[in-house]
Parts: sequence; C-alpha cells; structure tokens
Amino acid sequence: QKEVEQNSGPLSVPEGAIASLNCTYSDRGSQSFFWYRQYSGKSPELIMFIYSNGDKEDGRFTAQLNKASQYVSLLIRDSQPSDSATYLCAVKKATGTASKLTFGTGTRLQVTL
Amino acid sequence: KAGVTQTPRYLIKTRGQQVTLSCSPISGHRSVSWYQQTPGQGLQFLFEYFSETQRNKGNFPGRFSGRQFSNSRSEMNVSTLELGDSALYLCASSSQGANTGELFFGEGSRLTVL
Repeated sequence: QKEVEQNSGPLSVPEGAIASLNCTYSDRGSQSFFWYRQYSGKSPELIMFIYSNGDKEDGRFTAQLNKASQYVSLLIRDSQPSDSATYLCAVKKATGTASKLTFGTGTRLQVTL
Repeated sequence: KAGVTQTPRYLIKTRGQQVTLSCSPISGHRSVSWYQQTPGQGLQFLFEYFSETQRNKGNFPGRFSGRQFSNSRSEMNVSTLELGDSALYLCASSSQGANTGELFFGEGSRLTVL
C-alpha cells in the first residue's frame, strides 16, 4: 500500500464546474496535509494546507480533512482552464526535529471549455 | 526576491558516471530538501539538510548523497549512474525546515542516463 494515494486521472471537468480531487494516506500519525499544483514542465507550488479536521477555504479552493477516514480532498469551485494541471497531495509526519513530505503521484485535472 | 536556483537544468550522462547537482535556496532559507520525480513514482524524498546537517533521509541507496554549505547552498551527488536514475531532480527550500510543509521548488535538473 502506498503511503499517499491519488487517482492519476485525468479528471475532466467543464469550465465553471466544481473539480473534486481526492487523496488517502496510510499513516495515522500524519499531522499535516498539503496540496501542490504542478503545471506541465514546471515545478510544484503550494496552494493549500490543512492541519485540523474539517474544511478550510481559500478563494475558489477548499481543502477537506477527515483524519478518522484518513482522507483529504481539494475542491476547486468555478474551475477555469488555467486550473488544468497536476495536483499533488502531500502528507507530513514530524519525528522529533526531522520531518519530510510524502507526495502522492498526483491527479491530472483537465478543465474543458 | 530570487527563487530557488538549480544548475544544471539539463544533463546527459552514461551509465557508471557520476553527477553533481547544485541548488541555491531562497535567501534566508536554511532548509534544503531534494526530491526525485519520475512519471511512475512521482515525487520521492531523497534527503533534507538544515544548517549544514542532514536532518532526514529517504529510502535511496548510498549512491545518492548530498551536502549543504554554510551559505545554505546544497549539492547532491549520484555515483555509478544507472539507467533508472533518469529523472527530474527537484530541490526545495524552506524558511523553517520542512516542518511548515511550505516548500519552494526550483525548476529542477533533468538527468538522462544513457
């Protein structure tokens, strides 16, 4: 079982729709959760992070966390063609002073006109 | 403010050779992490350096090594290259180590091993 699992996609949604990206993780000791966006040929950039159960909203983006189900999701409202990218879920478990991010393989999102 | 700079951007090596990649973090950032990205495996953690000390290490063989200098610049080295080492190597810096989770990535060094 992979530590962080995502559906590779592509997830295709029409412009203006809600895109729902999902991620599950295996380590119950995971403490914080991140969504990175990576455009083709570019490096990843952080768009959202969440630490506590529930929802966290930032503009058109909402991150949802359910630690009991070991599930984190990203909702993108009013999807735009510029949102077409690969979305990487990352999970952090801190051990002492050391920590690392474990990434999923990403979900490719295509927003169609 | 300059971003994370990685050099070289592209390089081609043959099996058995060794390679050194360089990363200059954002000014003031003391943590540098290295990741390998391949289409099948995604982003895999190699190691993290903070104030010249390796603070965390991923599950890569000893052929992969790194170091960090007093100015926070970092290098990673891969010896005895194998075909499977072909990948995009990404460096990321952070102001407080990877504890915050906000990593700022460079554009990467794309290594091709023939």
